[in-house]
Amino acid sequence: DGGITQSPKYLFRKEGQNVTLSCEQNLNHDAMYWYRQDPGQGLRLIYYSQIVNDFQKGDIAEGYSVSREKKESFPLTVTSAQKNPTAFYLCASSIYQNTEAFFGQGTRLTVV
Amino acid sequence: AQSVAQPEDQVNVAEGNPLTVKCTYSVSGNPYLFWYVQYPNRGLQFLLKYITGDNLVKGSYGFEAEFNKSQTSFHLKKPSALVSDSALYFCAVRGDYGGATNKLIFGTGTLLAVQP
Repeated sequence: DGGITQSPKYLFRKEGQNVTLSCEQNLNHDAMYWYRQDPGQGLRLIYYSQIVNDFQKGDIAEGYSVSREKKESFPLTVTSAQKNPTAFYLCASSIYQNTEAFFGQGTRLTVV
Repeated sequence: AQSVAQPEDQVNVAEGNPLTVKCTYSVSGNPYLFWYVQYPNRGLQFLLKYITGDNLVKGSYGFEAEFNKSQTSFHLKKPSALVSDSALYFCAVRGDYGGATNKLIFGTGTLLAVQP
């Protein structure tokens, strides 16, 4: 069953802790993306990766980190430096440039 | 710089009536344009795309969109709305300039509410 899997679906974090959100795809896509969704602000790009071992900052990368050690995996770490981490996080992938992106079901992160 | 505008936060339409969700864009080079739909607490589902060719693009669930280069618009349309179409709709754009990956930029979304 092909697609993008994000885990966990819900995540609670204490202030000052780092957390890692998982994103795995079995679509053999080269490009992967992380977006943050807040009410009324649409989707904002955090990081993206075109190829293994390469990634670029998006528009709101501060307080986040990523790795791309395998083509299938693009985990996102929300660090304690991220001042307002409570949000809905979406991972996506695409074959490359002019093709549509496919999205996972999202992870809702709440800081408690 | 690339940008997408969805001027309406919400669109209300009666079931059976035609619907339009508006989108305008700004991009360097030729645009690649996309529409997605999102149901509550779910990821985005791809509806349709314009890459090149016919300006009228047909997609999933009876939706279509018309690319208008002179007006830099890509409005989403459906001839007859269903209550089940009620959801959040996002327009997205990517430019075709060569080199590094072009970012996929999203609008702020339009909430479509279809009344029975």
